[in-house]
Amino acid sequence: DTAVSQTPKYLVTQMGNDKSIKCEQNLGHDTMYWYKQDSKKFLKIMFSYNNKELIINETVPNRFSPKSPDKAHLNLHINSLELGDSAVYFCASSHWTSEYNEQFFGPGTRLTVL
Amino acid sequence: DAKTTQPTSMDCAEGRAANLPCNHSTISGNEYVYWYRQIHSQGPQYIIHGLKNNETNEMASLIITEDRKSSTLILPHATLRDTAVYYCIVRVAGSGGSNYKLTFGKGTLLTVNP
Repeated sequence: DTAVSQTPKYLVTQMGNDKSIKCEQNLGHDTMYWYKQDSKKFLKIMFSYNNKELIINETVPNRFSPKSPDKAHLNLHINSLELGDSAVYFCASSHWTSEYNEQFFGPGTRLTVL
Repeated sequence: DAKTTQPTSMDCAEGRAANLPCNHSTISGNEYVYWYRQIHSQGPQYIIHGLKNNETNEMASLIITEDRKSSTLILPHATLRDTAVYYCIVRVAGSGGSNYKLTFGKGTLLTVNP
């Protein structure tokens, strides 16, 4: 199936731990994104990469570090997890040069920090 | 990006048309209107977009007023599976860093009733 996939789907961990979320897309896109949806359901962009280059970096703590080994992957590493990091994290991808930049989203990773 | 205003929630009977309004009175001439939806526990899904003219695809129709200050998303025959939060987003199209950022508001929770 052509899609944006994320692993894991659920992640429960203790405060202070370091964790990673992986994202892969097989749509042939060259731009990928991470969004965070908090408990109030607000969906906010965190990062965007185009051809492995960071192009959007919102005001996100530097404990969050995205890594793009190639155009098809954008992983999110989080250091020293805090309670406030609990949220659903969505990965998305799109074409860079598309007029309308339709973004395709993954199924989300629900992170719970205890 | 221009701010949008949508009703918090709407109800629709199954099989009837669902008309979801969106106000974007401060929209600029180079900003498109996009609609996404998020079904419970899933990632957002692109529906349709437009600039000036009305648009239709297999999912929905988009009606944009002549002054472009408001628009309506129409689901012609709503089904129970269309129950979701619908987001109206205005954004500059084209390449360039922040142009690719989708800014989600609170959206409209559409509940389709049997």
